[in-house]
Amino acid sequence: QVQLQESGPGLVKPSETLSLICSVSGGSMSFYYWSWIRQSPGRGLEWIGDVYHSGSTNYNPSLKSRVTISVDTSSHQFSLRLNSVTAADTAVYYCAREWQQYYFDYWGQGLLVTVSS
Amino acid sequence: DIQMTQSPSTLSASLGDRVTITCRASQTLNSFLAWYQQKPGRAPKLLIYQASSLQSGVPSRFSGSGSGTEFTLTISSLQPDDFASYYCQQYDDYPYTFGQGTKLEIK
Repeated sequence: QVQLQESGPGLVKPSETLSLICSVSGGSMSFYYWSWIRQSPGRGLEWIGDVYHSGSTNYNPSLKSRVTISVDTSSHQFSLRLNSVTAADTAVYYCAREWQQYYFDYWGQGLLVTVSS
Repeated sequence: DIQMTQSPSTLSASLGDRVTITCRASQTLNSFLAWYQQKPGRAPKLLIYQASSLQSGVPSRFSGSGSGTEFTLTISSLQPDDFASYYCQQYDDYPYTFGQGTKLEIK
């Protein structure tokens, strides 16, 4: 059974960089895309971007200028960096596995990240 | 971006009721549509993919249908565990987008 777990700081200051890691267990990272998705009351569910096991990425154009997603298959992890954060980036951040670049079949439990000074 | 619009936003129903939630896309999808269930404090759970295929382990009272720009999720007989929020998601094109959600409440 594939399991994903987000980790990182729950509080980030405005203008700083949000950095999260997703640890994957119970299955291989090979031949899958791995996504970051966030959810807030104002924006609902928003797909941030994904990374293939090879390292190729796709980003939501609305966030592309501020986002970097990378993968380390040897450590069974992938990561999210979102820079120049504002209060609008406050959300629950989920990592998820994409089935064949389609839908999300496994999700992490989610991590609330608050942007505040 | 493909915009996904769900209706209704809130639905009140009773145990045993048959309920339908609608999702409309701003452009034609090649049946690349999924449905998720989410309970408070939990991650979304995949119910339906490819518009009508039931994910393994999901009860058969859940079904999906539709094509083009209009899709529906039907629960044939509501059970206590079904009161939750439901979201559609298109994966026809990047960026993937979700509907705003439908909250299913007990009447």
